[in-house]
Amino acid sequence: EAGVVQSPRYKIIEKKQPVAFWCNPISGHNTLYWYRQNLGQGPELLIRYENEEAVDDSQLPKDRFSAERLKGVDSTLKIQPAELGDSAVYLCASSLTGEETQYFGPGTRLLVL
Amino acid sequence: SQQGEEDPQALSIQEGENATMNCSYKTSINNLQWYRQNSGRGLVHLILIRSNEREKHSGRLRVTLDTSKKSSSLLITASRAADTASYFCATDALRDIFGTGTRLKVLA
Repeated sequence: EAGVVQSPRYKIIEKKQPVAFWCNPISGHNTLYWYRQNLGQGPELLIRYENEEAVDDSQLPKDRFSAERLKGVDSTLKIQPAELGDSAVYLCASSLTGEETQYFGPGTRLLVL
Repeated sequence: SQQGEEDPQALSIQEGENATMNCSYKTSINNLQWYRQNSGRGLVHLILIRSNEREKHSGRLRVTLDTSKKSSSLLITASRAADTASYFCATDALRDIFGTGTRLKVLA
């Protein structure tokens, strides 16, 4: 069974540029999470989807961050414009609805210069 | 604020020794999970313990849960160099559900 797929694995951009991350969850997993993880810290939830509905986006900085999961399968997280402080690893995870165990992708490491 | 906080922040042991790390949380929970993260990788689920369970085993892992103290511990017995990773606890709260992690280093 394929795991959670994320791309790109690494991204280097200059500040004020836009950037997008893509995630394809495990087949059949209706719940999808986006996390940001700063160096030496634990993951912080940005947004959680149940199918195509964002059920918790309270931690998403909505002035510059946006996310979508149009068909309830794969998802895109966008930052526009990126700031230096956005440098982090962006993790995507998925789970079956009602199940607590999350399956994580390898993450996208973003460096904003 | 973070829901789960791991302790210690860092731990260095010799191969073959046992490693114990702790997690404290603030609110009532239905379950608590432990995850491992190798450097540069995503998190991998290790074990889930429910609020009505006090202890759970999985291979070399032993997890305890004390809901009265709002704490959990993860014991890795007979550690191996491959156990070197960061370990996180997570509760079923919806936001800030991961702590800062314990960085375990097992020396060969």
